[in-house]
Amino acid sequence: QKEVEQNSGPLSVPEGAIASLNCTYSDRGSQSFFWYRQYSGKSPELIMFIYSNGDKEDGRFTAQLNKASQYVSLLIRDSQPSDSATYLCAPGAGNNRKLIWGLGTSLAVNP
Amino acid sequence: DGGITQSPKYLFRKEGQNVTLSCEQNLNHDAMYWYRQDPGQGLRLIYYSQIVNDFQKGDIAEGYSVSREKKESFPLTVTSAQKNPTAFYLCASSMGWDEKLFFGSGTQLSVL
Repeated sequence: QKEVEQNSGPLSVPEGAIASLNCTYSDRGSQSFFWYRQYSGKSPELIMFIYSNGDKEDGRFTAQLNKASQYVSLLIRDSQPSDSATYLCAPGAGNNRKLIWGLGTSLAVNP
Repeated sequence: DGGITQSPKYLFRKEGQNVTLSCEQNLNHDAMYWYRQDPGQGLRLIYYSQIVNDFQKGDIAEGYSVSREKKESFPLTVTSAQKNPTAFYLCASSMGWDEKLFFGSGTQLSVL
């Protein structure tokens, strides 16, 4: 089993729709969870982080965490073409606090 | 403006040659990292440093070396021992030992 699993996509949604990106992780010691966005040929940028079970909202983005199910998701409301990118899920690896990176989900928002 | 500067943007290496990638930050961050990204693979940690004059190997350190003589600088040398160096190299930093990373713009290294 991979340490972090994400659907590689591409996930295609129409403009204005909700995009739902999912991530499962294997390390039950992970306490922190991060979502990074990476445009093609560019470096990743942090868009959301969550530490506690439940939902965390920031503008059009909502991160959802369920530690019992080892599942974290990212919802993007009112998706825009500029949201088209690869989204990387990165749980923190327990006590040594190194990130474990998923391979990312490619999102395409169609005008 | 605060940020992380990587140079060069593109680099070509001849067989048997060592090359050095530059990474400078003015965010006053304690921790710095080097990652390698290959198509279809996730980010892989090469080296990281939590404080000046100290650094640790990541998951794929063989064929690479680093130094951390100044807080602001964390250069990466790709040695001739690294037989498959073609990749996108990313430098990052964070405040303390925090997983919220800030990345530089990356260096694409290719072999001639």
